[in-house]
Amino acid sequence: NAGVTQTPKFRVLKTGQSMTLLCAQDMNHEYMYWYRQDPGMGLRLIHYSVGEGTTAKGEVPDGYNVSRLKKQNFLLGLESAAPSQTSVYFCASSYQGDQPQHFGDGTRLSIL
Amino acid sequence: GEDVEQSLFLSVREGDSSVINCTYTDSSSTYLYWYKQEPGAGLQLLTYIFSNMDMKQDQRLTVLLNKKDKHLSLRIADTQTGDSAIYFCAEADSNYQLIWGAGTKLIIKP
Repeated sequence: NAGVTQTPKFRVLKTGQSMTLLCAQDMNHEYMYWYRQDPGMGLRLIHYSVGEGTTAKGEVPDGYNVSRLKKQNFLLGLESAAPSQTSVYFCASSYQGDQPQHFGDGTRLSIL
Repeated sequence: GEDVEQSLFLSVREGDSSVINCTYTDSSSTYLYWYKQEPGAGLQLLTYIFSNMDMKQDQRLTVLLNKKDKHLSLRIADTQTGDSAIYFCAEADSNYQLIWGAGTKLIIKP
């Protein structure tokens, strides 16, 4: 049982490059989330989805876009990467909004 | 806006009990969670408590909730070296979005 899988695990980008982070869950969860984690801070919500075909902005959405074309996948895109987006990105999913969230192992992204 | 606060570090001796504290501001919280993060890993759900409960016990873990003071604690009995990690407190607001504390790093002394 894989749970929540994130790819890639590590990535180094140059300023201005674009990339997409992939999150896949095999638990038939409705809700999916993208967070970023920076040193000394809690997780901050970037975007989330309450079901296939839906997306919504979180606390820090600027510079990111997301898509949820399939229920099991939630993609996070950086159109023009900036050094301020250097962070660890976590994807999570939950069956419903009031259920515990299950996390992937994270993607460590460095923007030079 | 809503806020969740935790001490950044806690140091305990192996075999002692660890008590990690958390305060929050949102009085409409529905669920409160404790997650554990080991180095280089994702967040693992440890336990959670519904806001109308005062206490929840699960093996070595005891969660206490004082809703009046908006205070949540996690007690780990007989702390072991494998308990070394960062522990995050989070509350679910009325929209079920999680508000996270900055995490408490638990350091185990031999």
